[in-house]
Amino acid sequence: DAKTTQPPSMDCAEGRAANLPCNHSTISGNEYVYWYRQIHSQGPQYIIHGLKNNETNEMASLIITEDRKSSTLILPHATLRDTAVYYCIVLLDSNYQLIWGAGTKLIIKP
Amino acid sequence: GAVVSQHPSWVICKSGTSVKIECRSLDFQATTMFWYRQFPKQSLMLMATSNEGSKATYEQGVEKDKFLINHASLTLSTLTVTSAHPEDSSFYICSASGLQGIEQFFGPGTRLTVL
Repeated sequence: DAKTTQPPSMDCAEGRAANLPCNHSTISGNEYVYWYRQIHSQGPQYIIHGLKNNETNEMASLIITEDRKSSTLILPHATLRDTAVYYCIVLLDSNYQLIWGAGTKLIIKP
Repeated sequence: GAVVSQHPSWVICKSGTSVKIECRSLDFQATTMFWYRQFPKQSLMLMATSNEGSKATYEQGVEKDKFLINHASLTLSTLTVTSAHPEDSSFYICSASGLQGIEQFFGPGTRLTVL
Protein backbone atom coordinates (compact mmCIF):
# COMPACT_ATOMS: atom_id res chain seq x y z
CA ASP A 1 0.00 0.00 0.00
CA ALA A 2 1.08 3.54 -0.72
CA LYS A 3 2.46 5.40 2.25
CA THR A 4 1.19 8.75 1.00
CA THR A 5 -2.17 10.47 0.60
CA GLN A 6 -2.87 13.29 -1.83
CA PRO A 7 -5.98 15.16 -2.95
CA PRO A 8 -7.30 13.58 -6.15
CA SER A 9 -7.39 16.82 -8.13
CA MET A 10 -6.54 20.51 -8.00
CA ASP A 11 -6.92 23.52 -10.25
CA CYS A 12 -4.50 26.42 -10.52
CA ALA A 13 -4.48 29.58 -12.63
CA GLU A 14 -1.70 29.98 -15.14
CA GLY A 15 1.12 32.11 -13.78
CA ARG A 16 0.22 31.47 -10.16
CA ALA A 17 2.02 29.20 -7.74
CA ALA A 18 0.67 25.68 -7.52
CA ASN A 19 0.92 24.15 -4.07
CA LEU A 20 0.41 20.40 -3.94
CA PRO A 21 0.09 18.83 -0.48
CA CYS A 22 1.02 15.32 0.55
CA ASN A 23 0.62 13.42 3.80
CA HIS A 24 3.09 10.71 4.75
CA SER A 25 2.48 10.28 8.45
CA THR A 26 4.06 6.81 8.65
CA ILE A 27 7.33 7.75 7.01
CA SER A 28 10.45 6.29 8.60
CA GLY A 29 13.59 8.19 9.50
CA ASN A 30 15.66 7.24 6.45
CA GLU A 31 12.91 7.27 3.84
CA TYR A 32 13.00 9.96 1.21
CA VAL A 33 10.03 11.84 -0.20
CA TYR A 34 10.02 11.90 -4.00
CA TRP A 35 7.84 13.80 -6.40
CA TYR A 36 7.23 12.71 -9.97
CA ARG A 37 4.72 13.83 -12.53
CA GLN A 38 3.18 12.04 -15.45
CA ILE A 39 1.76 13.69 -18.49
CA HIS A 40 -0.80 11.57 -20.29
CA SER A 41 0.64 8.44 -21.91
CA GLN A 42 4.24 9.28 -21.04
CA GLY A 43 6.70 7.87 -18.53
CA PRO A 44 6.97 9.59 -15.15
CA GLN A 45 9.22 12.63 -14.95
CA TYR A 46 11.33 13.23 -11.87
CA ILE A 47 10.72 16.57 -10.17
CA ILE A 48 12.46 16.69 -6.82
CA HIS A 49 13.19 14.71 -3.68
CA GLY A 50 14.12 15.41 -0.08
CA LEU A 51 14.78 13.85 3.29
CA LYS A 52 14.50 16.49 6.00
CA ASN A 53 15.46 19.86 4.61
CA ASN A 54 13.54 21.94 2.13
CA GLU A 55 14.81 21.57 -1.40
CA THR A 56 14.67 23.72 -4.51
CA ASN A 57 15.64 23.10 -8.11
CA GLU A 58 14.84 24.61 -11.47
CA MET A 59 11.45 22.94 -11.58
CA ALA A 60 10.03 23.24 -8.09
CA SER A 61 10.47 23.62 -4.37
CA LEU A 62 9.79 20.96 -1.77
CA ILE A 63 8.76 21.97 1.72
CA ILE A 64 8.92 19.20 4.33
CA THR A 65 7.43 19.76 7.76
CA GLU A 66 9.69 19.43 10.77
CA ASP A 67 8.00 16.20 11.88
CA ARG A 68 8.28 14.92 8.27
CA LYS A 69 4.68 13.81 8.28
CA SER A 70 3.71 15.97 5.35
CA SER A 71 5.21 17.94 2.51
CA THR A 72 4.21 20.44 -0.15
CA LEU A 73 5.43 20.66 -3.71
CA ILE A 74 5.45 24.19 -5.05
CA LEU A 75 5.51 25.04 -8.74
CA PRO A 76 6.30 28.77 -8.53
CA HIS A 77 4.81 29.95 -11.82
CA ALA A 78 2.53 27.31 -13.25
CA THR A 79 2.14 27.05 -17.02
CA LEU A 80 -0.33 25.08 -19.10
CA ARG A 81 2.38 22.48 -19.72
CA ASP A 82 2.42 21.71 -16.01
CA THR A 83 -0.97 20.02 -16.32
CA ALA A 84 -0.26 16.45 -15.25
CA VAL A 85 -0.77 13.89 -12.50
CA TYR A 86 1.66 14.58 -9.66
CA TYR A 87 2.78 11.71 -7.48
CA CYS A 88 4.20 12.06 -3.99
CA ILE A 89 6.08 8.89 -3.12
CA VAL A 90 8.06 7.57 -0.21
CA LEU A 91 11.13 5.63 -1.23
CA LEU A 92 11.34 2.51 0.91
CA ASP A 93 14.81 2.36 2.43
CA SER A 94 14.72 -1.42 2.62
CA ASN A 95 14.70 -2.08 -1.11
CA TYR A 96 14.60 1.33 -2.80
CA GLN A 97 11.15 0.63 -4.18
CA LEU A 98 8.80 3.44 -5.09
CA ILE A 99 5.25 2.64 -4.04
CA TRP A 100 2.86 4.76 -6.06
CA GLY A 101 -0.39 6.21 -4.78
CA ALA A 102 -3.17 7.69 -6.86
CA GLY A 103 -1.55 11.11 -7.24
CA THR A 104 -3.06 14.54 -7.72
CA LYS A 105 -4.38 15.55 -11.09
CA LEU A 106 -3.29 19.18 -11.46
CA ILE A 107 -5.08 21.22 -14.08
CA ILE A 108 -3.62 24.59 -14.99
CA LYS A 109 -6.25 26.94 -16.36
CA PRO A 110 -5.57 29.94 -18.61
CA GLY B 1 19.24 13.46 -15.54
CA ALA B 2 20.05 10.04 -16.87
CA VAL B 3 18.24 8.71 -19.92
CA VAL B 4 16.29 5.47 -20.11
CA SER B 5 14.82 4.27 -23.37
CA GLN B 6 12.22 1.65 -24.14
CA HIS B 7 11.53 -0.22 -27.33
CA PRO B 8 9.07 -0.50 -28.86
CA SER B 9 6.98 2.54 -27.97
CA TRP B 10 3.81 0.72 -28.85
CA VAL B 11 2.95 -2.73 -30.06
CA ILE B 12 -0.19 -4.48 -31.22
CA CYS B 13 -0.22 -8.27 -31.22
CA LYS B 14 -2.56 -11.18 -31.58
CA SER B 15 -3.75 -13.11 -28.57
CA GLY B 16 -1.45 -16.02 -27.80
CA THR B 17 1.74 -14.45 -29.11
CA SER B 18 4.69 -13.30 -27.05
CA VAL B 19 5.98 -9.76 -26.93
CA LYS B 20 9.41 -8.56 -25.80
CA ILE B 21 9.96 -5.06 -24.44
CA GLU B 22 13.46 -3.68 -24.03
CA CYS B 23 14.60 -1.17 -21.44
CA ARG B 24 18.00 0.47 -21.82
CA SER B 25 19.94 2.89 -19.66
CA LEU B 26 21.77 5.02 -22.19
CA ASP B 27 24.36 6.90 -20.16
CA PHE B 28 24.75 5.08 -16.88
CA GLN B 29 25.03 1.58 -15.52
CA ALA B 30 21.78 0.39 -14.03
CA THR B 31 22.35 -2.08 -11.25
CA THR B 32 18.63 -2.31 -10.61
CA MET B 33 15.72 -2.05 -13.00
CA PHE B 34 12.05 -1.95 -12.13
CA TRP B 35 9.10 -2.91 -14.30
CA TYR B 36 5.71 -1.30 -13.81
CA ARG B 37 2.31 -1.71 -15.38
CA GLN B 38 -0.28 1.02 -15.64
CA PHE B 39 -3.90 0.57 -16.61
CA PRO B 40 -5.95 3.52 -17.89
CA LYS B 41 -6.63 6.17 -15.26
CA GLN B 42 -4.74 4.19 -12.63
CA SER B 43 -1.42 4.63 -10.93
CA LEU B 44 1.73 2.68 -11.64
CA MET B 45 1.86 -0.83 -10.21
CA LEU B 46 5.24 -2.37 -9.55
CA MET B 47 5.53 -5.76 -11.23
CA ALA B 48 9.08 -6.79 -10.47
CA THR B 49 12.53 -5.67 -9.47
CA SER B 50 15.59 -7.02 -11.21
CA ASN B 51 19.25 -6.76 -10.38
CA GLU B 52 21.89 -7.35 -13.01
CA GLY B 53 22.90 -10.97 -13.22
CA SER B 54 20.29 -12.33 -10.83
CA LYS B 55 16.70 -13.45 -10.97
CA ALA B 56 13.98 -10.89 -10.76
CA THR B 57 11.86 -10.46 -7.66
CA TYR B 58 8.18 -10.40 -8.53
CA GLU B 59 5.45 -8.62 -6.62
CA GLN B 60 2.58 -10.61 -5.22
CA GLY B 61 0.06 -11.52 -7.87
CA VAL B 62 2.45 -11.15 -10.82
CA GLU B 63 3.05 -14.44 -12.65
CA LYS B 64 6.75 -14.92 -13.19
CA ASP B 65 6.20 -17.49 -15.92
CA LYS B 66 4.02 -15.10 -17.85
CA PHE B 67 6.16 -12.00 -17.43
CA LEU B 68 9.74 -13.11 -18.05
CA ILE B 69 12.37 -10.61 -17.02
CA ASN B 70 15.99 -10.76 -18.06
CA HIS B 71 18.62 -8.32 -16.81
CA ALA B 72 21.71 -9.69 -18.46
CA SER B 73 23.77 -6.51 -18.56
CA LEU B 74 24.09 -3.24 -16.69
CA THR B 75 22.37 -1.36 -19.49
CA LEU B 76 19.64 -3.68 -20.67
CA SER B 77 16.63 -5.40 -19.18
CA THR B 78 13.88 -7.12 -21.12
CA LEU B 79 10.31 -7.97 -20.23
CA THR B 80 8.64 -10.71 -22.28
CA VAL B 81 4.90 -11.05 -22.03
CA THR B 82 4.31 -14.69 -22.96
CA SER B 83 1.08 -15.91 -24.52
CA ALA B 84 -0.41 -12.46 -24.31
CA HIS B 85 -4.15 -12.04 -23.87
CA PRO B 86 -6.36 -8.94 -24.13
CA GLU B 87 -6.27 -8.44 -20.37
CA ASP B 88 -2.50 -7.94 -20.63
CA SER B 89 -3.10 -4.81 -22.68
CA SER B 90 -1.54 -2.03 -20.67
CA PHE B 91 1.14 0.63 -20.50
CA TYR B 92 4.42 -0.96 -19.40
CA ILE B 93 7.07 1.30 -17.93
CA CYS B 94 10.58 0.53 -16.80
CA SER B 95 12.86 2.47 -14.52
CA ALA B 96 16.52 2.14 -13.71
CA SER B 97 18.70 3.10 -10.83
CA GLY B 98 22.46 3.19 -10.46
CA LEU B 99 24.86 2.12 -7.76
CA GLN B 100 23.43 4.37 -5.06
CA GLY B 101 20.00 3.00 -5.74
CA ILE B 102 18.17 6.06 -4.56
CA GLU B 103 17.09 7.81 -7.71
CA GLN B 104 15.05 6.05 -10.39
CA PHE B 105 14.98 7.20 -13.97
CA PHE B 106 11.96 6.24 -16.01
CA GLY B 107 11.59 5.16 -19.60
CA PRO B 108 8.88 6.62 -21.84
CA GLY B 109 6.73 3.52 -21.60
CA THR B 110 5.46 0.88 -24.03
CA ARG B 111 1.81 0.62 -24.87
CA LEU B 112 0.79 -2.97 -25.50
CA THR B 113 -2.51 -3.80 -27.15
CA VAL B 114 -3.46 -7.45 -27.44
CA LEU B 115 -6.23 -8.18 -29.92
